[in-house]
Amino acid sequence: DIVMTQSPDSLAVSLGERATISCKSSQSVLYSSNNKNYLAWYQQKPGQPPKVLIYWASTRESGVPDRFRGSGSGTDFTLTISSLQAEDVAVYYCQQYYNTPRTFGQGTKVEIK
Amino acid sequence: QVQLQESGPGLVKPSETLSLTCTVSGVSITTYYWSWIRQPPGKGLEWIGYIYYSGGTNYNPSLKSRVTISIDTSENQFSLKLSSVTAADMAVYYCARVSGSGNGFFDFWGQGTLVTVST
Repeated sequence: DIVMTQSPDSLAVSLGERATISCKSSQSVLYSSNNKNYLAWYQQKPGQPPKVLIYWASTRESGVPDRFRGSGSGTDFTLTISSLQAEDVAVYYCQQYYNTPRTFGQGTKVEIK
Repeated sequence: QVQLQESGPGLVKPSETLSLTCTVSGVSITTYYWSWIRQPPGKGLEWIGYIYYSGGTNYNPSLKSRVTISIDTSENQFSLKLSSVTAADMAVYYCARVSGSGNGFFDFWGQGTLVTVST
């Protein structure tokens, strides 16, 4: 299984400031034949299902604000929220879809400082 | 628009079989892969498995011996059965659509249903 490890487990950021979440995979999720990273980011608010924000490591889902940015390749990935808004308080998960079993990171809780 | 809705008993006794159904609307179930994912209270997400309309499946090895996912194209539904449940199987169970041709992310999710395992 590919183990996904996120850091930190939680972080508190002031409104308008930057939030950065790291996700590392135990093996590369870059598929060489198409040069795509099989990595997605999800946002989960309390009582709601996860919602995809980013896929292919850096492609923003339709309707997702451009303050959310995904970057990285291979085994190291980052989700950046450039200017934290109150509605961004949530738990964020990375997930690999390179192979099965599909696996998720443990989650990073983002709060307002 | 694409919508998924889980249904089934919210309470299952230990050692019995958990059974859930996901009803899909807004898209034919024959055009995508479909998955089950669960989340124990206060914990992270665990992929259970997926199914294609042809009946082809792929299960998480950690659950494979106890899991069956099936599909009913006439009803636009797919189902989950998990046998011999224990307290460790208590979770919110989500159904989700797999984007692309099976090797994609989860782009649409149901609201989830909490299954409690208790006598």
